[in-house]
Amino acid sequence: NAGVMQNPRHLVRRRGQEARLRCSPMKGHSHVYWYRQLPEEGLKFMVYLQKENIIDESGMPKERFSAEFPKEGPSILRIQQVVRGDSAAYFCASSPGYLSYEQYFGPGTRLTVT
Amino acid sequence: RKEVEQDPGPFNVPEGATVAFNCTYSNSASQSFFWYRQDCRKEPKLLMSVYSSGNEDGRFTAQLNRASQYISLLIRDSKLSDSATYLCVVNMDTGGFKTIFGAGTRLFVKA
Repeated sequence: NAGVMQNPRHLVRRRGQEARLRCSPMKGHSHVYWYRQLPEEGLKFMVYLQKENIIDESGMPKERFSAEFPKEGPSILRIQQVVRGDSAAYFCASSPGYLSYEQYFGPGTRLTVT
Repeated sequence: RKEVEQDPGPFNVPEGATVAFNCTYSNSASQSFFWYRQDCRKEPKLLMSVYSSGNEDGRFTAQLNRASQYISLLIRDSKLSDSATYLCVVNMDTGGFKTIFGAGTRLFVKA
């Protein structure tokens, strides 16, 4: 049973470009969560999605950031017009259900904005 | 006040020592609780869920006290491989779903 997969593992973008981060949940998991971790800081919740639905996006910046989890294919976190402050590790996690279920994390995507 | 607070670190202990981490949460709507460990620049890995009845997994024991809004993790007979950052995690339903990670407590186990 493959774990949570994320790609790319490392992404370098120049200021103003777009970044697309992909996450494939564990088999059988229909709940996906995205987190951001700045250097030397803790994880910050960004968004919680189920297939074709955004359940909670209270942690997402209001501009430039969006997330989707289509019926087919991986979940995508999209950052438009990246700035240096977007440089961070972005982790995706998945779970089989809501609230009481453990989340399992992917290896993360390290985004560097130059 | 932060929604989830952990002991400040780092903890430096010798091999074989027993070490305890504490975590408090402020929102009574919190519904489920977990401990994760995170190694440097890696993803968090689930260590164990935390229940009011307490649960044990080998050298690790976790406890939840809902009345005091307090979670603990006890590690017995520490190993060098236990060196990591330990994260307290709380899921809450406040009309919307939130997962809150504590800032983490760093543990160094030395030979």
